[in-house]
Amino acid sequence: KAGVTQTPRYLIKTRGQQVTLSCSPISGHRSVSWYQQTPGQGLQFLFEYFSETQRNKGNFPGRFSGRQFSNSRSEMNVSTLELGDSALYLCASSSGLAGGNTGELFFGEGSRLTVL
Amino acid sequence: GQQVMQIPQYQHVQEGEDFTTYCNSSTTLSNIQWYKQRPGGHPVFLIQLVKSGEVKKQKRLTFQFGEAKKNSSLHITATQTTDVGTYFCAGRLNYGQNFVFGPGTRLSVLP
Repeated sequence: KAGVTQTPRYLIKTRGQQVTLSCSPISGHRSVSWYQQTPGQGLQFLFEYFSETQRNKGNFPGRFSGRQFSNSRSEMNVSTLELGDSALYLCASSSGLAGGNTGELFFGEGSRLTVL
Repeated sequence: GQQVMQIPQYQHVQEGEDFTTYCNSSTTLSNIQWYKQRPGGHPVFLIQLVKSGEVKKQKRLTFQFGEAKKNSSLHITATQTTDVGTYFCAGRLNYGQNFVFGPGTRLSVLP
């Protein structure tokens, strides 16, 4: 069973640009969550999608957005990049049962974004 | 909002010594999970605790969930170099809500 796949693994952008990151969850998983990891702030929750609907949202500005497709693949977009957006962006998939018990999170390797 | 804290932030131990990390939530949790992240890797699920006062063991690892469901601990007996990494707890207020991660405890094991 393939794990969670994130692309691209590394990318460099400049301030003001925008970026789109992709996440393919484990087959059969309907919930995808996104986290930002930085040395100083740890793992910060961005948002969670379940069956194409945003179910939870963290405390990030509107520049951060996401979506989920019918095949459960998810993308997140960051517009007008700032230096502080440099981080490892982790995607996690889970079964996300309809009752809300998401259980174990399976993380991808992450997309490391550097903003210059 | 909900806050999850962990102590210590760093721990250096000699191989063979024991290690404990503590996790505290500002609010009562429905359940708590523990993850391990090796240097350069991604978080990997270790365990989930749901019941008040629950204790679970995985070989040399012992996990506890407090009676009030506001704190948890992870204890490693006789550490090995393979235990090196950052240990995160993640708590959730209610089912259907997202997990809030603690800042993690970075463990170094000296051979």
